[in-house]
Formats: sequence, structure tokens, C-alpha cells
Amino acid sequence: KQEVTQIPAALSVPEGENLVLNCSFTDSAIYNLQWFRQDPGKGLTSLLLIQSSQREQTSGRLNASLDKSSGRSTLYIAASQPGDSATYLCARSGGYNKLIFGAGTRLAVHP
Amino acid sequence: DTEVTQTPKHLVMGMTNKKSLKCEQHMGHRAMYWYKQKAKKPPELMFVYSYEKLSINESVPSRFSPECPNSSLLNLHLHALQPEDSALYLCASTTPGGEGKLFFGSGTQLSVL
Repeated sequence: KQEVTQIPAALSVPEGENLVLNCSFTDSAIYNLQWFRQDPGKGLTSLLLIQSSQREQTSGRLNASLDKSSGRSTLYIAASQPGDSATYLCARSGGYNKLIFGAGTRLAVHP
Repeated sequence: DTEVTQTPKHLVMGMTNKKSLKCEQHMGHRAMYWYKQKAKKPPELMFVYSYEKLSINESVPSRFSPECPNSSLLNLHLHALQPEDSALYLCASTTPGGEGKLFFGSGTQLSVL
């Protein structure tokens, strides 16, 4: 069974901290690994996509890495802000962009 | 235009009702998806359409009936739903085969009474 696990499940930090969110998956035969942000009751916003041939992607204060051999991806958020508060989901793609999601990390950044 | 638009945003229906959810995108994407998300759970794939043809049905009950009338529209027809079908229904789109980013709509929050 293909599984995606995210650690920690929840995180509460003061503004300004650098954060690391972890994602692990059981099947290394992936097409890509995607990170999303979801605000309560809303849809998902794509943050970063790492193709299976890539090692990392960066966008602004966000950096995501992918290690297929160990089945791990990490999302690094630099200098966190209250506006970063949301649930962060990682998802692996196994063809047809059929995504299998982790349960997410609920992040709260307080001023 | 990089939006996926879903209507309605909220829907309350009885178990004997028939309703439809609508999803629209004008990004030229030819792969469209329906996901179901229960509260505090990750999204789960329901259907995938590629070039307006159903390519994946994740063993979804027949009370959910998808339809892709053209390359920009995706509908989900609902009939005789159960209270446990209450959830956030999300539509997404992307370019088929390219394994690119998925663009999600903001969802329809469905309550079945």
C-alpha cells in the first residue's frame, strides 16, 4: 500500500523561526512530489513541485528537497510569518498526476 | 487566468435530492479531477478525466456521477446521497502526461441532511 506520512502533525512557533516539515513515502517509484498549502475550509494552493529527477525546488522563503532513495521530502520555511499559518500537505504522484496525500502538518505562527 | 472555479461554494441537500457541482477552468488543461475531503483528513481521489474521457474511477459509488461536457467543464452529479457523503468536494486540473502542478478550486462544502 502506498503511504505518505507527515511529521509533525501540528506545529506552533513564534514569528521569525525557520521551520522544517517532513514528509516520507513508501514507494520510491514516484513521478513527482508536490507540496500544497490549505487554509481552513478552502482549496489547496500548490507551493512547490519536485520532479523525480530533481533534488530540490525553491520559491521565495520556501525550499523543498527530495531524496527518492530514502523516501523523504522536506519543506523548509525561512523566517516564518503569521500569514504562513495553514495546513501543509505533501503528495506523491504515481502517474496521471494521481496524488496520494499525507495527513498534513497544521502550522500556527504567532506574533 | 490561472483559476479553477467551483460552484456552488456551499450546498445543503436532502437524501432524496438531485444536485450538481460544477467546475470550470480556462487554462487549456486537458486533465481534470474530483477529490473528496472529509474534515481534518487529506483529499482522496474520486475521478480523473483525461481529454474529456474518464480514465480513473476510484471505486466511487454510483450515486456520484461525473461528466465532462467539454475541455473546460467538469460536473459532478449527485443523487440519493447519504449523510456520510458530507465533505468538501475539490476540483483540480493540470496538463495530462506532463505531471505538472495541480491547480485546485476552492471547493464545494456539501452537507447531506
